[in-house]
Amino acid sequence: GENVEQHPSTLSVQEGDSAVIKCTYSDSASNYFPWYKQELGKGPQLIIDIRSNVGEKKDQRIAVTLNKTAKHFSLHITETQPEDSAVYFCAASPMTGGGNKLTFGTGTQLKVEL
Amino acid sequence: GAVVSQHPSWVICKSGTSVKIECRSLDFQATTMFWYRQFPKQSLMLMATSNEGSKATYEQGVEKDKFLINHASLTLSTLTVTSAHPEDSSFYICSARSTPGQGLPIYGYTFGSGTRLTVV
Repeated sequence: GENVEQHPSTLSVQEGDSAVIKCTYSDSASNYFPWYKQELGKGPQLIIDIRSNVGEKKDQRIAVTLNKTAKHFSLHITETQPEDSAVYFCAASPMTGGGNKLTFGTGTQLKVEL
Repeated sequence: GAVVSQHPSWVICKSGTSVKIECRSLDFQATTMFWYRQFPKQSLMLMATSNEGSKATYEQGVEKDKFLINHASLTLSTLTVTSAHPEDSSFYICSARSTPGQGLPIYGYTFGSGTRLTVV
């Protein structure tokens, strides 16, 4: 089955700096890679996703890059703000087959300090 | 956009009793729903995949007789924790997957807000 590794487990940045979180996956059948933000006591919320037919996607301060050959993808947050502080999870899934299971990374606790 | 409603948001029950958690897709049909369990400071662990009108598929190590899943309609799935014990205390989260033709992100996963279960 799919195995997703995520680094770092904790990340502390100063407000305004950039934050980068990296994930690797093992199953070449995976072709859908979402990123979720989870605040304490709440369910995960999708912040951005990328499919295997593109290498990069950007939405305002958030961007995701995908390297299918190396099987890794990264989340980039620019101009970080205190409200960006949360736990971020990467995930991977085959869009069809494999039970459509979404496999999560281990999470990154991001803290944006004033 | 896609919205998944999960209730209750928290529940406290006595050991030995059963608890039902509901997960509804409010504005789309979800032929597939997923149930996760999350311990503090840990990732989401998939418990089971629920397909409308058929039996759920449980992940290895998840007791199907303890965690009963029913997906009787395209918008509702329920998880019942039977004979709950303190070790079942956890954060349970459901997710629904949108399918093409509904004007939503194709194959996107939408999560509920989670249910904090405490068994005393």
